[in-house]
Parts: sequence; structure tokens; C-alpha cells
Amino acid sequence: DAGVIQSPRHEVTEMGQEVTLRCKPISGHNSLFWYRQTMMRGLELLIYFNNNVPIDDSGMPEDRFSAKMPNASFSTLKIQPSEPRDSAVYFCASSLRGADTEAFFGQGTRLTVV
Amino acid sequence: GQQVMQIPQYQHVQEGEDFTTYCNSSTTLSNIQWYKQRPGGHPVFLIQLVKSGEVKKQKRLTFQFGEAKKNSSLHITATQTTDVGTYFCAGPSSGTYKYIFGTGTRLKVLA
Repeated sequence: DAGVIQSPRHEVTEMGQEVTLRCKPISGHNSLFWYRQTMMRGLELLIYFNNNVPIDDSGMPEDRFSAKMPNASFSTLKIQPSEPRDSAVYFCASSLRGADTEAFFGQGTRLTVV
Repeated sequence: GQQVMQIPQYQHVQEGEDFTTYCNSSTTLSNIQWYKQRPGGHPVFLIQLVKSGEVKKQKRLTFQFGEAKKNSSLHITATQTTDVGTYFCAGPSSGTYKYIFGTGTRLKVLA
């Protein structure tokens, strides 16, 4: 298995533009997590899905952020409109069975909003 | 809410010295996991501890889960430059599927 695949690896966009981050979890994994990492706030959980259903989105900063998981092999995190404070590394992770099993992280998307 | 704190936040050591990071949860954990993130990389799973008082070793790394299952430690013997990175502990949030990650300890090893 190729692991968790995220795209793009780097994204530079202008303030106000829409940004879409993509994630392909490991096949067979039931849980998918989106994290944001910054120096100031560390690793923050934004949202997680179990069996494609959003379970907890309490970490989503505001209505500008939305996430979908239309099927077991694909998820997106969208920011519209983007702002400079959204600049961070966004990680997608998947696990076989929630937090009882190890999380496999993707390589991350480094987002810069100018 | 449930919190997982790690100390120290940063640690600089000379190559060959030992290193320990401590993880403390505000609630009892069913298991504790440890991850390592190299600079510019992504977190990578190291190990999972499940039993109270459990101790596991991976070469120079020793992991321990506290008797009360609320704390854990990672000890590295004779650090090497390859040990550089941030070490995170993580545990399941009560009654949910999600991980609560600790604040991390950033290790620098001076050659």
C-alpha cells in the first residue's frame, strides 16, 4: 500500500481564494482525520470521519472550513475564502479502527495564503 | 476538556546523552501511542502501550505506561543525531474515535 496520499504537497494562494486539499486514506481504514499544524498551536484536530460519516467537526475553526468524504477512498478539506492565518501544514491521517489503532499520516500539504 | 500535556517542550542534548519526555493526561487512557515527527516530515507511529505499568523497548528507546494509565514516558539512551525531531504522545478521547495528541517535545541533538 502506498500509504495515505495527500495532494497537493504545497499550495500558495492569494487571500480570498478557494483552496481544496485532497486525501486518499489507506484502503480498509475506517477512520479519517484532518489535522492542522502550526508552530503556535501545535497539532490540532479539525474533523474526523468514521465509515465516511463526519463524527466530530468541533475543531473546524469557522464556517470558511468544510470537509467531505464522499466515499471510503477520498476526502477533501476546503477553505473558502482563504485568509493568511490559515497558513499551516494540513495533515490527513487514517486508522483501521479509530484511536484504538495507530494513525498513518500523509505527507501533508503546506498551505501559504498571501 | 480532556488534555494531554508533555514536558519538556524543548530539549537540547549532546550526542550520547540520555533524553526523557513525559506525557500526562487529565483522564485515564485505554492506550497510549507515541509518534515521532522529523523536521519537515509527518508524524510516524512508534509504539502503542495498552496495559497498566507496561514497559516496551525498541533498541535505544524505552516506553512506559503508568500504573494509573494517565501518564507515560519515552526514554532514549545515548542519543544520536538521527533522534532529532518532535515526539508526540497520543491517546483516545473518552468515548470517541479520535486521538488527543500531546503538545510534543522537540529534541535537538548536538554533535
